[in-house]
Amino acid sequence: AQSVTQPDIHITVSEGASLELRCNYSYGATPYLFWYVQSPGQGLQLLLKYFSGDTLVQGIKGFEAEFKRSQSSFNLRKPSVHWSDAAEYFCAVVPFSGGYNKLIFGAGTRLAVHP
Amino acid sequence: EAGVTQFPSHSVIEKGQTVTLRCDPISGHDNLYWYRRVMGKEIKFLLHFVKESKQDESGMPNNRFLAERTGGTYSTLKVQPAELEDSGVYFCASSWGGASGANVLTFGAGSRLTVL
Repeated sequence: AQSVTQPDIHITVSEGASLELRCNYSYGATPYLFWYVQSPGQGLQLLLKYFSGDTLVQGIKGFEAEFKRSQSSFNLRKPSVHWSDAAEYFCAVVPFSGGYNKLIFGAGTRLAVHP
Repeated sequence: EAGVTQFPSHSVIEKGQTVTLRCDPISGHDNLYWYRRVMGKEIKFLLHFVKESKQDESGMPNNRFLAERTGGTYSTLKVQPAELEDSGVYFCASSWGGASGANVLTFGAGSRLTVL
């Protein structure tokens, strides 16, 4: 079945450590790809998106993500995590480029940050 | 610019009661979407309005759910009667222009519904 997989439900890192959150999708064509973050009491905020072109995309708050077609992945990275990054992160796709705007979400990864 | 506003932020009701959730999209955004996240699972699409018209309601779980967007501005999502499995967080999102996947959605903070 077509899906978006975030294999890590919870991740804990120390402040200042690097971070990688994994996301895999199972759609045949190259989808539009997104990462959203939800901090407590806040809405889903867009971190970054990939439509085409350079496979390494930069987002807000120092995040970046790399699209790897061969692995059907769109992993989110940050070189040095801050305590304020503690939140839940969602990978999402629009199943095919040019397609109708109906996001398919992964189950989310909750990030905890140790001081 | 004001964001997407949802009300209430949290509602606790008894099984069988009715609840109405409201969403105020960003002014000028023709597209309005409802999504839902049931406990710990994926956020799932419910439906999409273009102005006051329902463009796609394929994600609505059953006929206990009724969404409206009178006048093409704010939207309401009514659950009547509520069941235990309706508990979750209901997100509203809006976007401008067409329904292309390239038009990024702006989400509200969500309305948490707890059915006891």
